[in-house]
Amino acid sequence: GAVVSQHPSRVICKSGTSVKIECRSLDFQATTMFWYRQFPKKSLMLMATSNEGSKATYEQGVEKDKFLINHASLTLSTLTVTSAHPEDSSFYICSARDMDKSNYEQYFGPGTRLTVT
Amino acid sequence: QKEVEQDPGPLSVPEGAIVSLNCTYSNSAFQYFMWYRQYSRKGPELLMYTYSSGNKEDGRFTAQVDKSSKYISLFIRDSQPSDSATYLCAMSAGYGNNRLAFGKGNQVVVIP
Repeated sequence: GAVVSQHPSRVICKSGTSVKIECRSLDFQATTMFWYRQFPKKSLMLMATSNEGSKATYEQGVEKDKFLINHASLTLSTLTVTSAHPEDSSFYICSARDMDKSNYEQYFGPGTRLTVT
Repeated sequence: QKEVEQDPGPLSVPEGAIVSLNCTYSNSAFQYFMWYRQYSRKGPELLMYTYSSGNKEDGRFTAQVDKSSKYISLFIRDSQPSDSATYLCAMSAGYGNNRLAFGKGNQVVVIP
């Protein structure tokens, strides 16, 4: 149980284009999902907290107009990188919390590697 | 001072050795402590989860939390080459805000 999927697993796009990454909780419902960014050999950096049915909460320094987050249902959150540039190339990982569990575990997706050329 | 400190290593051990990893933290509000394992180019996988102080054992893995010292540890007994991965500690204060604070991660290599 507690499986989180991400799509696509890797994507290459040209500078200036937009890319959408999906995060799905497959066997549980998640009112809250999190989006992280990870650079090589670095830890995870929280970008934003996505709440179903409301606006996402962005961490300091993260441009909300560049990284659009939509949490349209209890099993799906999307991250859209708009007008991507090479510096946006990174490993993007989402996580989700099972709303039916009283603990605070987060389950992570397998990540999406974005390369902007 | 960073919220969570974790020496990034790397750490190389021979197969069968005990691996010892640790993190320190500064926020006394943290109550939930986790260890994640991350293989190269994959998402983190929850390995151990502990609430408050104490020990927790799961197979070859033991997690220890000492809240008085703000220090957590992960021990891997009889290490295997398949244990080669990056291990990240994470913690949360809980109560509605599930924001996780992560350590930098510790790369472990188990040599056959």
